[in-house]
Amino acid sequence: GAVVSQHPSRVICKSGTSVKIECRSLDFQATTMFWYRQFPKQSLMLMATSNEGSKATYEQGVEKDKFLINHASLTLSTLTVTSAHPEDSSFYICSALGTSGDTDTQYFGPGTRLTVL
Amino acid sequence: KQEVTQIPAALSVPEGENLVLNCSFTDSAIYNLQWFRQDPGKGLTSLLLIQSSQREQTSGRLNASLDKSSGRSTLYIAASQPGDSATYLCAVRGNQFYFGTGTSLTVIP
Repeated sequence: GAVVSQHPSRVICKSGTSVKIECRSLDFQATTMFWYRQFPKQSLMLMATSNEGSKATYEQGVEKDKFLINHASLTLSTLTVTSAHPEDSSFYICSALGTSGDTDTQYFGPGTRLTVL
Repeated sequence: KQEVTQIPAALSVPEGENLVLNCSFTDSAIYNLQWFRQDPGKGLTSLLLIQSSQREQTSGRLNASLDKSSGRSTLYIAASQPGDSATYLCAVRGNQFYFGTGTSLTVIP
C-alpha cells in the first residue's frame, strides 16, 4: 500500500511553455502533499506544501506565480511550471503525507524529469 | 533553520564490507528521522523511520540509530552487496522535512 504516482515521468518542452505535473496517492487519501525540486548531485529542496482545499504554502525564494499548485482532491495535487525556462530544468518529486501505524510519514512519487530547451 | 549534513559525500567499498553512513542535524527538536534510498533518476524509497523517542530501528541488514541530544544518526549496512549501490538520504522532520545532502554509495563486486 501507500503508493504515490507522478505523471509524466519525463517531459521535454520549449522555453516559454507551461508544463503540468500530476501527483496522485493511489491507495490512500492525503490531505497534505509536498513538492520538491532536486538539481543534479544535490539534495531535495522543499518548494511548497500543498493542502487539500486550500492555498499552497511556498518556501522562501519559490515564486508562487511561476509554480502553480492545485490540490483539488484528497488524492491529486498538480504542479504547473508556467513559462518554463532552461533554469527550471530539474527533477521534481512529490510526496504525500500518510499514516503508518500512529506515525505520519511521507510516501514519495518516482519523480518527473523536466528539461526545458 | 535546521541544517542536515551527511558524511561522507561518497563512499566506495568492496562487496561484503560493513559500512556506516553518518547524518547530523543542528536542531534537536525533531519528531522523527528517516533514511531513504535513491537510485539514479528515481524517486525515494523509505528504508527506516526512527521516532524522536527511539534510539534505533532495524530492518534486515540495515540498522539506524538516533542520538537526538547530539544531533546525530547513523545508518549501518551489514555485508554490503552491489545492489546496495545508490544515494542514501537522511531527513529530519521538524515543522517541515529537511533533507541531507546524501551519501553516494558504490559497492564493488
